Amino acid sequence: GQNIDQPTEMTATEGAIVQINCTYQTSGFNGLFWYQQHAGEAPTFLSYNVLDGLEEKGRFSSFLSRSKGYSYLLLKELQMKDSASYLCAVRDAYGGQNFVFGPGTRLSVLP
Amino acid sequence: DADVTQTPRNRITKTGKRIMLECSQTKGHDRMYWYRQDPGLGLRLIYYSFDVKDINKGEISDGYSVSRQAQAKFSLSLESAIPNQTALYFCATSDIVGTGELFFGEGSRLTVL
Repeated sequence: GQNIDQPTEMTATEGAIVQINCTYQTSGFNGLFWYQQHAGEAPTFLSYNVLDGLEEKGRFSSFLSRSKGYSYLLLKELQMKDSASYLCAVRDAYGGQNFVFGPGTRLSVLP
Repeated sequence: DADVTQTPRNRITKTGKRIMLECSQTKGHDRMYWYRQDPGLGLRLIYYSFDVKDINKGEISDGYSVSRQAQAKFSLSLESAIPNQTALYFCATSDIVGTGELFFGEGSRLTVL
């Protein structure tokens, strides 16, 4: 089966660092994706990991450990505009190579 | 203009009515998808299409049908809408090269009374 877990909600302070964890159990693996979704809007692509390790992109970094079925998204120097839901998704390696999404983590950044 | 456009953006309908949600894209991608989003459940795949002649069921296809009219157009139909189909629906596209990430439309909010 396919299962992806993320914390439901997190709160952090402007200027701080926050880490959003994602654990997954899937029948196949061909990449892990993080998306950002502001309330009432479409998800937008943030990062992609297919090999173990850290990928850095500005204030955002994403880490993957395939052996542990674990990823995290690290947000530095938090800004108010970072208040959003963060979706973890795994792309299957077989068949349609489709994406399985976690429930999303709603992050609130407080002043 | 958005690369992936969905119409209508909002729709309220009654149980038993037929509803069509349309999606068009200018990204030139072959792969198109329909997802629904419900609070606490994340995005779930309804149908996907990898080219004009290819249609595949996703995780939750019961009660839905699709049509791929052209590379750029992928429509989702609810033949007889029911209240538990009330949700936010997203169309998405992806390329077969690069990272292959999904590009989402702006969403269609459907309410079935």
